[in-house]
Amino acid sequence: GAGVSQSPSNKVTEKGKDVELRCDPISGHTALYWYRQSLGQGLEFLIYFQGNSAPDKSGLPSDRFSAERTGGSVSTLTIQRTQQEDSAVYLCASSFRVRDFSPLHFGNGTRLTVT
Amino acid sequence: QQPVQSPQAVILREGEDAVINCSSSKALYSVHWYRQKHGEAPVFLMILLKGGEQKGHDKISASFNEKKQQSSLYLTASQLSYSGTYFCGTSQGAQKLVFGQGTRLTINP
Repeated sequence: GAGVSQSPSNKVTEKGKDVELRCDPISGHTALYWYRQSLGQGLEFLIYFQGNSAPDKSGLPSDRFSAERTGGSVSTLTIQRTQQEDSAVYLCASSFRVRDFSPLHFGNGTRLTVT
Repeated sequence: QQPVQSPQAVILREGEDAVINCSSSKALYSVHWYRQKHGEAPVFLMILLKGGEQKGHDKISASFNEKKQQSSLYLTASQLSYSGTYFCGTSQGAQKLVFGQGTRLTINP
C-alpha cells in the first residue's frame, strides 16, 4: 500500500520567500507529525495533529512557521520569510492512533535549501 | 524534553555486540526505537510500553525500565546491514513523540 508521501522532494528558495511543504499521510492514520532534521543532526519535533484535537504546536521555532491539516488528511507546513537557518530536511510521519502507541511511518522528506 | 542517548557513535566489526542507551528526566509511558540509513527516512524497529517490557526483533532487542526512565537497545552479532543512526523516541502518555539526538552505528567487515 501507499506510504507517507511528501512533496516536493527538493526545494530551493531565496531568503525571504515563503514556502509550502505538503504531506499526504497513510489513509486512515489519525496522527500526523512534522519533524525537522538539519544536516547530521537529530529529529527536531515541530508540530503534531491528532484527530480533531487542537494541534500541539510547541515545537515550532518561530511565528514564521505554521501548519494546517485539512479534513484530517493532507497537511501543509508553511514557512514565511525563509532564512538560511531554515535549511534542513523536513520529515512528515503518520500513525494510526496515538493512544495505541502505534509506530510512526515516515515520508522521505522535503530537502529545503535557502540561498 | 528531549531524551538523551549514549553513546553518540559506535564503530564495530561485523559480529560484535552493541548497546545503545536512552534516558529521560521525565516519567515515560512508551519508548520507540527507529533506525535511519544515510539519505533515507527513519524506519520503525519496536515500541516498548511501561512494565519492564522487553522485545526482540531478529538479533535486535530492547528493554524498558520505567522506574529508571531508561531504555536500552541491544544489537547482537551485528551485521553490515545494521549500520545507520538509531533514534529513541519517548512520550508521556498520548502526547507528542520526542526523539533523542541519535547514535551513529558503523559496522565494518
